[in-house]
Amino acid sequence: AQKVTQAQTEISVVEKEDVTLDCVYETRDTTYYLFWYKQPPSGELVFLIRRNSFDEQNEISGRYSWNFQKSTSSFNFTITASQVVDSAVYFCALRRAQGGNEKLTFGTGTRLTIIP
Amino acid sequence: GAGVSQTPSNKVTEKGKYVELRCDPISGHTALYWYRQSLGQGPEFLIYFQGTGAADDSGLPNDRFFAVRPEGSVSTLKIQRTERGDSAVYLCASSLQGGSPLHFGNGTRLTVT
Repeated sequence: AQKVTQAQTEISVVEKEDVTLDCVYETRDTTYYLFWYKQPPSGELVFLIRRNSFDEQNEISGRYSWNFQKSTSSFNFTITASQVVDSAVYFCALRRAQGGNEKLTFGTGTRLTIIP
Repeated sequence: GAGVSQTPSNKVTEKGKYVELRCDPISGHTALYWYRQSLGQGPEFLIYFQGTGAADDSGLPNDRFFAVRPEGSVSTLKIQRTERGDSAVYLCASSLQGGSPLHFGNGTRLTVT
């Protein structure tokens, strides 16, 4: 069985502070994909990143960065110099890499509030 | 270009009634997915289509739920004999092909009274 745990239910930080959202996953598969999605108040889930389990390199995209640690089964997401527009619910998700297994298993999400 | 479109955006129905929820995927996307999101929870997988066929319907909670995609584009999620526990936001997503990142619609908020 696959499971994604986002222990932080809600986080509030003051604008311009850095913030890290934690994600821990469980899977018996040796190959898999990890994802982060953003859900703003409008409700639409916005894709942020996909990471293959073979690739443990950290990734940076502007103010966003992701730290994948296979040894601890974690895929944490950091926002640097946070902005009010970053306020949203963020979901971490897991998918098997085997062909035909398209099901995404989501965590329960972390509600991030950036205080101006 | 246009994203994934879901209609209606809100649906209120009485317990026991039948409802249909519609999803228009991004043009050219062969894969289509339905998820259900309850308040304070992450989306839960319902069903996945590759083309016209349901490749994985393991997430459908029971036989009151059914989905079709007859021409490989628009999909309809059908719920019979609705129950109050069916109240949730139903999300549709599409992708260029299986394995590609999913693009989600804004969802249909279903309320069963």
